[in-house]
Amino acid sequence: QITLKESGPTLVKPTQTLTVTCSFSGFSLANSGETVGWIRQPPGKALEWLALIYWDDDKRYSPSLSNRLTVTKDASKNQVVLTMTNMVTVDTATYYCVHSRWSPSLAFFDSWGQGARVTVSS
Amino acid sequence: EVVLTQSPGTLSLSPGERVTLSCRASQTVISNFLAWYQQKPGQAPRLLIYGASNRATGIPDRFSGGGSGTDFTLTISRLEPEDFAVYHCQQYGDSYTFGQGTKLEIK
Repeated sequence: QITLKESGPTLVKPTQTLTVTCSFSGFSLANSGETVGWIRQPPGKALEWLALIYWDDDKRYSPSLSNRLTVTKDASKNQVVLTMTNMVTVDTATYYCVHSRWSPSLAFFDSWGQGARVTVSS
Repeated sequence: EVVLTQSPGTLSLSPGERVTLSCRASQTVISNFLAWYQQKPGQAPRLLIYGASNRATGIPDRFSGGGSGTDFTLTISRLEPEDFAVYHCQQYGDSYTFGQGTKLEIK
């Protein structure tokens, strides 16, 4: 059974950098084909894909946010970290980490963390 | 970018009814790589359907997905009280994009 859990600050100030950690179990990012992604959802709004990291350390980012995002992994700790720089109020959202697989036909998000609610405010 | 448009925005129905939700893509979804998720208030989304028509593990057979190309549907054959939620479609054939969601509420 795959489980994921996000942790991080609930409040960040404008211009600060957000760092959110995803701790997971039930799979290993050292194994071929495994991926972890990040998705966010502003209050009452649609889901938005942010980033994906693959078992081989390849990375993909949303084109609209790529200059602000970095995703890294520590496979030995079963953790993935998302950083987003220069936070602004519209970045207020719940940030989810998700599990997926590299095969194109399996690239949907089959497991989700509970989400980390982040508010950007001074 | 593949834009997904879901309709209607909100549906009010009663338990026991049949419902079909729509998801239309701005361009052909590669290999029909389209998924549906259910999200209840305060919870994370849950995968229901992938590959347009394949039920995820543990999903009841009252949920079914259909369509191809640019037009996709999610049908719930007989609504149960626990089915009232927000439903999101997502394509994963060309990067990843989501629809804006359809809220299914009790009438």
